[in-house]
Amino acid sequence: ETGVTQTPRHLVMGMTNKKSLKCEQHLGHNAMYWYKQSAKKPLELMFVYSLEERVENNSVPSRFSPECPNSSHLFLHLHTLQPEDSALYLCASSQGRGSTDTQYFGPGTRLTVL
Amino acid sequence: GNSVTQMEGPVTLSEEAFLTINCTYTATGYPSLFWYVQYPGEGLQLLLKATKADDKGSNKGFEATYRKETTSFHLEKGSVQVSDSAVYFCALKRDDYKLSFGAGTTVTVRA
Repeated sequence: ETGVTQTPRHLVMGMTNKKSLKCEQHLGHNAMYWYKQSAKKPLELMFVYSLEERVENNSVPSRFSPECPNSSHLFLHLHTLQPEDSALYLCASSQGRGSTDTQYFGPGTRLTVL
Repeated sequence: GNSVTQMEGPVTLSEEAFLTINCTYTATGYPSLFWYVQYPGEGLQLLLKATKADDKGSNKGFEATYRKETTSFHLEKGSVQVSDSAVYFCALKRDDYKLSFGAGTTVTVRA
């Protein structure tokens, strides 16, 4: 595997379910990100981890709970979601925070909340 | 703050036509500039980047030049193919974790 991988690629869940999204990066990077991409809205940065420490949390509802057990893996735990949380969730990684540090994205998880 | 403005789409072209997508930015200091492409059903892929003024990024026949005097980073391709149909995002990054994206431009190329 190379680059950034995400599983599952598609997920359908009810509002009372609990599920988790998984991201893995094979690039040796130190920072990992969760983004939300909704139809007709700009990409939203949700969380940033650097060396397993959360460095940004952009006013995301508590029904989204991130976890970064090591610098290669990132999870997004979901519980009691709302239909408006249906979106494409993208994971990304970068070497660091510098202006030249490129963020590389995974293929995304398409989430549908019923 | 930092912001990116892209031309609104959708853009529809015939194969072998010339493509230009305008992108302008607002930022202090010396940001890096990026173009990402999103094919249907996929995540974002880095298309090209430029890290300082007058740099030209290029990849897969696409080019963009970092113009500090006009605060622009327009994307161009001389002869598009059907496989270039996608959403294109211009983005800006300074020395922090935040990547500021434009709204995206949907491009459709007809055979």
